[in-house]
Amino acid sequence: AQSVAQPEDQVNVAEGNPLTVKCTYSVSGNPYLFWYVQYPNRGLQFLLKYITGDNLVKGSYGFEAEFNKSQTSFHLKKPSALVSDSALYFCAVRDIGNRDDKIIFGKGTRLHILP
Amino acid sequence: NAGVTQTPKFQVLKTGQSMTLQCAQDMNHNSMYWYRQDPGMGLRLIYYSASEGTTDKGEVPNGYNVSRLNKREFSLRLESAAPSQTSVYFCASSERGGGTLTYEQYFGPGTRLTVT
Repeated sequence: AQSVAQPEDQVNVAEGNPLTVKCTYSVSGNPYLFWYVQYPNRGLQFLLKYITGDNLVKGSYGFEAEFNKSQTSFHLKKPSALVSDSALYFCAVRDIGNRDDKIIFGKGTRLHILP
Repeated sequence: NAGVTQTPKFQVLKTGQSMTLQCAQDMNHNSMYWYRQDPGMGLRLIYYSASEGTTDKGEVPNGYNVSRLNKREFSLRLESAAPSQTSVYFCASSERGGGTLTYEQYFGPGTRLTVT
């Protein structure tokens, strides 16, 4: 069965500094990977996804993520953090080996950008 | 184009009561999902539906039932609510994946349910 781990419950970064939110995954086949963001009292919003191709994926709001198959990781990054990036971030995975379309989420990482 | 809508936004139930959470999407998506979000647990998949007339269990299906009424609507029913079902419930939809296809999900605003 597929699973996702987000090892950090919270990440604090000063505004203007680069940020990284970590994600590792486990699947039996090849993964499809996603990042979502959740602002307070809102549903989740899609940021980016990795399907195939370049290991560096660019998404919304200046975010990017790097797929690393050997380390089974898909870390979310941004070169320069904004206070408005403060939110809850979720990594999700689908195992391409599954015939179904089941997508499993991690526990989330709360990102605080300090002014 | 409203996207994914959920009703109600808030609900308080007593233990043993039943209720149905409604979800509808207007994006002509085939796949629909129900998740629950709990502090420290992230999102956990309750049920999903790859197409009208089909439903499958997710990670935490016990205590819930679902109905895919038509392509637009996917409801979640709690037959006998328990305090452990206090949570925020999210519905999502996407284009139908499977095989080498996969698509991002669109989420509703959530239903905050408290069971006392």
